[in-house]
Amino acid sequence: DTGVSQDPRHKITKRGQNVTFRCDPISEHNRLYWYRQTLGQGPEFLTYFQNEAQLEKSRLLSDRFSAERPKGSFSTLEIQRTEQGDSAMYLCASSTDSQEQYFGPGTRLTVT
Amino acid sequence: GEDVEQSLFLSVREGDSSVINCTYTDSSSTYLYWYKQEPGAGLQLLTYIFSNMDMKQDQRLTVLLNKKDKHLSLRIADTQTGDSAIYFCAEWGTGFQKLVFGTGTRLLVSP
Repeated sequence: DTGVSQDPRHKITKRGQNVTFRCDPISEHNRLYWYRQTLGQGPEFLTYFQNEAQLEKSRLLSDRFSAERPKGSFSTLEIQRTEQGDSAMYLCASSTDSQEQYFGPGTRLTVT
Repeated sequence: GEDVEQSLFLSVREGDSSVINCTYTDSSSTYLYWYKQEPGAGLQLLTYIFSNMDMKQDQRLTVLLNKKDKHLSLRIADTQTGDSAIYFCAEWGTGFQKLVFGTGTRLLVSP
């Protein structure tokens, strides 16, 4: 296993379009996290899954955002009706029940 | 509340030691982390320390924790040009399942 993978690495979309990102965690990791990172800032927490259950959501996650982890393995993050303010790097991380979170390479979203 | 602060920039010469500092506000933080981010890449976990420890050493990296002052530092010995990156401090508190990151310190290592 080579680590957390994310797809696509880059996405350019027009304002108002929907986008979906995928994250594949490290295979034995039961916890999965989504973060968002804007330019010049540290990552900010969006949401957390333990297996298939979404247990925490940040208030940053507006109703245009939805995340799923249907079988407790890969996860998807969908943004509907994208806005220019959604432009950011979307990072996925995974962990076991330990406190070590391992991050993927991220998906850079540009909304034009 | 949760707030993690770092200085924005540090410049050192190759071979020198680098010290990156961080302050945090959540006294209930149980783990404190250092991550490294290279341009266009995700975050690499460098090391972390449990809050009941004062110091942790891992090869060229030394983490010092002053829990009374809520101050964390990362010392990189014999800094190399490949260490140039952004370094993020993060805390993991009780009662929530997330990392809270600082804004990052950009380390520039010149030959």
